[in-house]
Amino acid sequence: DVKVTQSSRYLVKRTGEKVFLECVQDMDHENMFWYRQDPGLGLRLIYFSYDVKMKEKGDIPEGYSVSREKKERFSLILESASTNQTSMYLCASSSPGVGNQPQHFGDGTRLSIL
Amino acid sequence: GQNIDQPTEMTATEGAIVQINCTYQTSGFNGLFWYQQHAGEAPTFLSYNVLDGLEEKGRFSSFLSRSKGYSYLLLKELQMKDSASYLCAFMFSGGYNKLIFGAGTRLAVHP
Repeated sequence: DVKVTQSSRYLVKRTGEKVFLECVQDMDHENMFWYRQDPGLGLRLIYFSYDVKMKEKGDIPEGYSVSREKKERFSLILESASTNQTSMYLCASSSPGVGNQPQHFGDGTRLSIL
Repeated sequence: GQNIDQPTEMTATEGAIVQINCTYQTSGFNGLFWYQQHAGEAPTFLSYNVLDGLEEKGRFSSFLSRSKGYSYLLLKELQMKDSASYLCAFMFSGGYNKLIFGAGTRLAVHP
């Protein structure tokens, strides 16, 4: 079974702090994704990566950056946390190619910015 | 633009059948996914459709009509554990398995 592990289930930080969310997958997947999930809005893509050191902006990249130094690890960085970044953050990974290649999700990190 | 619509909430009775609809208006179609998400847990993959028609997997089936931009998830013999959110997601043909998600349908199954 694919295992996607996020470093924290719950996290509380203060406005202006630099926040790191870590994600590790154990299936040698090329693609990795960061989403945030908010009530009524569903999952929205922040950034994704299709290879080591490669990254692409998703639909809502403002205020975030990412790092992919190793294939199995994809980090989301909040450069200067703000209260509107309070949300559930979900990491996912998948194999490349066409056809049925579902994304596999971690359990999520519920981040509160005070 | 990209637009995926599904109902916000549905309720159903244990043992019954429920159909959750999803419509999409976008281009570059490369498949339609359904995920299940229990409260506080990760979304888990349920089904994938890329060709028109019905795909059946036990109690769950998913249907796709590409010409109509329409899909549905059919859940039969409902059980209490089926109470969850169901997410419809559209895959782009541009690569990287990028998905656009609907807001999700919260299903409550009652005895």
